[in-house]
Amino acid sequence: NAGVTQTPKFRVLKTGQSMTLLCAQDMNHEYMYWYRQDPGMGLRLIHYSVGEGTTAKGEVPDGYNVSRLKKQNFLLGLESAAPSQTSVYFCASTGGQETQYFGPGTRLLVL
Amino acid sequence: KNQVEQSPQSLIILEGKNCTLQCNYTVSPFSNLRWYKQDTGRGPVSLTIMTFSENTKSNGRYTATLDADTKQSSLHITASQLSDSASYICVVGAPYNNNDMRFGAGTRLTVKP
Repeated sequence: NAGVTQTPKFRVLKTGQSMTLLCAQDMNHEYMYWYRQDPGMGLRLIHYSVGEGTTAKGEVPDGYNVSRLKKQNFLLGLESAAPSQTSVYFCASTGGQETQYFGPGTRLLVL
Repeated sequence: KNQVEQSPQSLIILEGKNCTLQCNYTVSPFSNLRWYKQDTGRGPVSLTIMTFSENTKSNGRYTATLDADTKQSSLHITASQLSDSASYICVVGAPYNNNDMRFGAGTRLTVKP
């Protein structure tokens, strides 16, 4: 099993550009999450999904959109990137009240 | 204000020594407390998960303790190795909502030879 994978690993955007981050998991997990990690702060939940076709807002959803068209994939979109969205983005999945499995992260720099 | 506070922010120890990392939280009620290890440039990896009714959980050289009365947890690392150099993150989960997890900022541990 590959576990949780994320693409791309690193990206540089100019302010106002858009992009999509892809998360894929092969563990048949129902729950999937997108977090951002900033220096000196804990991971913060952006959006999450409790199953295929469902999404919900987390703690810091503004400026992001998500989609879960297939159970194994969870996409995070930035419609108009801002420098404040410079961060490391982590995707995670879990089957329930148990271990969360994280992806390797995507480093995003917005100039 | 973060509801999960970890101390120290960073720690340097010599290989073979033991160390203890602290986590204080104000999340209440809570259903579980987790410790993760995050290597530089990688995603967090689960070390231990404790429910509110458990007070200790071990995973090899890692032992987590939980005192729900004082809202404190600790992670003890025995006989440290160079590969233990990483950030250690404490996470408190609220009940009834698998998605409401509060992350501490982490303790950065460096093990030197």
